Parts: sequence; structure tokens; C-alpha cells
Amino acid sequence: AQKITQTQPGMFVQEKEAVTLDCTYDTSDQSYGLFWYKQPSSGEMIFLIYQGSYDEQNATEGRYSLNFQKARKSANLVISASQLGDSAMYFCAMREGVGFQKLVFGTGTRLLVSP
Amino acid sequence: NAGVTQTPKFQVLKTGQSMTLQCAQDMNHNSMYWYRQDPGMGLRLIYYSASEGTTDKGEVPNGYNVSRLNKREFSLRLESAAPSQTSVYFCASSGKGQGATGELFFGEGSRLTVL
Repeated sequence: AQKITQTQPGMFVQEKEAVTLDCTYDTSDQSYGLFWYKQPSSGEMIFLIYQGSYDEQNATEGRYSLNFQKARKSANLVISASQLGDSAMYFCAMREGVGFQKLVFGTGTRLLVSP
Repeated sequence: NAGVTQTPKFQVLKTGQSMTLQCAQDMNHNSMYWYRQDPGMGLRLIYYSASEGTTDKGEVPNGYNVSRLNKREFSLRLESAAPSQTSVYFCASSGKGQGATGELFFGEGSRLTVL
């Protein structure tokens, strides 16, 4: 079974609008972490945001927020006020357990922001 | 700060040739990883090293070997390259200090083509 599922291969949004990128996960661990990475066309992997399984508040980093719904096992990324530079691939990833930081990645969502 | 440096950035091989991808990090991280990225498949873990002196197989280890040379360096070797190993390879590292989320820090990627 897929540990991380991103069901949206591609998403379109207009500049200045908000967009939600979906991510669901599968784990039986009580302690885990969820990550989002951005990969622009230049290819580098950029860490965006992190949510721990015990964190009670949704994580936020500037225009990025993580809509964490533990019971539904979802960790959606919300980008507010989209910018042209947000056009990229976005990957959701999960670390299971504590200590070692091996991440399992989803297949990604390509976001295109139009003027 | 160099972060994670991997070489070479590009390589073309013929089937059956061997090569080594080099990776070094200067963040004093304990853990290092090799991932491969293929279209539509996200990033898949090849091998990892939780700490100096240890290495373990990831999701797709066949056809690869690794060496954790010291705390800084983690190399990936293809002994007899096959066209199925055409991919973009990412080295990453992680460490957990006070307040750290344990996110992976990635190199810029190495694009390998096997003819």
C-alpha cells in the first residue's frame, strides 16, 4: 500500500489566489512527521514545512500552511496568495517513528500559476 | 555554506560501465541518503546510512552499492550500469539538533543517462 498518496498530478491556479495540494498518508505509528518539499524546474529540492504528529496546531511558514487532519490521515498544503514563482512540483513526505529520519515521498503534484 | 555537494552533475554511460556518484555534506549530519527520481514516481530511497559506519538498503537497492567513507561522505556506485538506471539521483543528509525538524537537506541532483 502507498504510504503517501498525492492524487492530483497537476493543479492550476491564478496568481494571488489560494490553492490546496492534497496529501494522504498511511501509518500505524503514533509518532511520525510530515513534510512538504518544492521542486522548481531548476531541479533542487526545497523544504517548505513540517508537521509533527503530536503538534496540536497546524504548521505555518509564511504563505504556506499545512492543514493537518489526523483522523483523516491527511496533510494538505495550502499556499495563499499564489505567485508565479510558486509554479513547481510539490512533494509530500512522511517519516515514521522517532529518531531516524528516513522519508517516504509521494509522487508529487505539478502546480502551474498563471498571471 | 555548501550544504550537500554531489558530483558529477551529469553523466552518460554505456550499458555495463561502472561509475561512482560522490556526495559530501558539511553540516555535521549523522544520516545520509541516496534517492532516485523518475517521472511519475516521486523520490525512491536506494540506500541510507543512519550513522557513520552503517548502511542499509532502501526501497530500490538492486544494482547499487554504497560506502559511508566518513561522517561527511557517502558514495553510490553502479557496478554494471543498465538503461533502467537512467534517472536523477539525489543525495541528502539529516541531523537532529535542538529545535530541528529533521528535514532532509538535498544536493542539486545528478542526471545519469545509461545508453
